[in-house]
Amino acid sequence: DQQVKQNSPSLSVQEGRISILNCDYTNSMFDYFLWYKKYPAEGPTFLISISSIKDKNEDGRFTVFLNKSAKHLSLHIVPSQPGDSAVYFCAARSGTYKYIFGTGTRLKVLA
Amino acid sequence: DGGITQSPKYLFRKEGQNVTLSCEQNLNHDAMYWYRQDPGQGLRLIYYSQIVNDFQKGDIAEGYSVSREKKESFPLTVTSAQKNPTAFYLCASSISGGQHNEQFFGPGTRLTVL
Repeated sequence: DQQVKQNSPSLSVQEGRISILNCDYTNSMFDYFLWYKKYPAEGPTFLISISSIKDKNEDGRFTVFLNKSAKHLSLHIVPSQPGDSAVYFCAARSGTYKYIFGTGTRLKVLA
Repeated sequence: DGGITQSPKYLFRKEGQNVTLSCEQNLNHDAMYWYRQDPGQGLRLIYYSQIVNDFQKGDIAEGYSVSREKKESFPLTVTSAQKNPTAFYLCASSISGGQHNEQFFGPGTRLTVL
């Protein structure tokens, strides 16, 4: 039973345009959401997070939006750069220490 | 340099053998985690530890064992009971008690069973 879902396995975007990565979840008790970026054969690196009491968090080119009623979050990257090409995972915190990850979306930014 | 190290990067094992994956952190984090990643799947939690000498099973603990004798070390043993051990294994750590505590990941160990 997948509690955190990323329904798009891949996404291609032109350099300079906006990339939008989506994530859906089923458990309304999740209180904290994170996005990670992962290159092949490396560990994920933390990108940005959002608490369930907010609906938006911004950090430079990265913005995360949370729609609690729809149980949906999205990551916007503007403008997209070739170096952003990677796999992006969303994760939700369940309890103090447990995190549940989505299956990832592979983003390809075309030069 | 603070961070998490995992060794080895690549590991080959014969079927029926136990193997131990190393994970060390010098971030002074209380919590440590082991995940497994398979192609097309997200990260699945194997075990996690909130403090020294304490650990809990994650979603896929069968066939694995851990120990947490020191704060900075959280080794994972893949036993012969694990039916499909070939995967990419990731170790992570986080501070404890924080309201917003992201996990920091190591570079991973790719285990292949021959």
